Amino acid sequence: EAQLVESGGTLVQPGGSLRLSCAVSGLTVSSYSMNWVRQAPGKGLEWVAYITSRSDLTYYAPSVRGRFTISKDDAKSSLHLQMNSLRDDDSAVYYCATSFGGSWPEGFDFWGRGTLVTVS
Amino acid sequence: DIQMTQSPSSVSASVGDIVTITCRAGQGIADWLAWYQQKPGRAPKILIYRASRLQSGVPSRFSASGSGTDFTLTINSLRPDDFATYYCQQVHSFPFTFGPGTTLDFK
Repeated sequence: EAQLVESGGTLVQPGGSLRLSCAVSGLTVSSYSMNWVRQAPGKGLEWVAYITSRSDLTYYAPSVRGRFTISKDDAKSSLHLQMNSLRDDDSAVYYCATSFGGSWPEGFDFWGRGTLVTVS
Repeated sequence: DIQMTQSPSSVSASVGDIVTITCRAGQGIADWLAWYQQKPGRAPKILIYRASRLQSGVPSRFSASGSGTDFTLTINSLRPDDFATYYCQQVHSFPFTFGPGTTLDFK
């Protein structure tokens, strides 16, 4: 069974930067498109970013576009999210998740347990 | 961006009840819809994809239907383990968007 473990979440000041990582085991990362999804305390889910299996395309939520960068290291079986110019409303638990489907994602099947980012 | 709405925002029910949750997309998304269950402090778990297809391992008391803009998730014969928050998500186009969630709690 796949296992995803996020790390890197911490307390950071507004305007600061942070790099989240997601270590993946039990599946071949190079075969999967992947995502970051976040959830502010007591709030709903917000999709943040997506990267294709070949890392040739990336997409972002409007709220983070230009500030966040998603990347994937197939050799190290890991996913990353570089977050710059952090704002208070970026505070959330950040989950990494794999997409499944053929040529287009049909849903997110494997999820990590999340890492908490607090901007204050 | 495609806005997703859900109703009700919360529902109270008892073990054995049937519950239906509705999700509406701001524009047509064909069947590019997924449903997730989330319990407090846990990651979401996918239940349904492509609007009506049951994810492997999900009990058959969960069913879903819909196409275009209107979708439903039905839980038959509620069990204690089903009390959670449910989210729909459109994967028709970027940015992928989730509904605001429906919390199912004990009556």
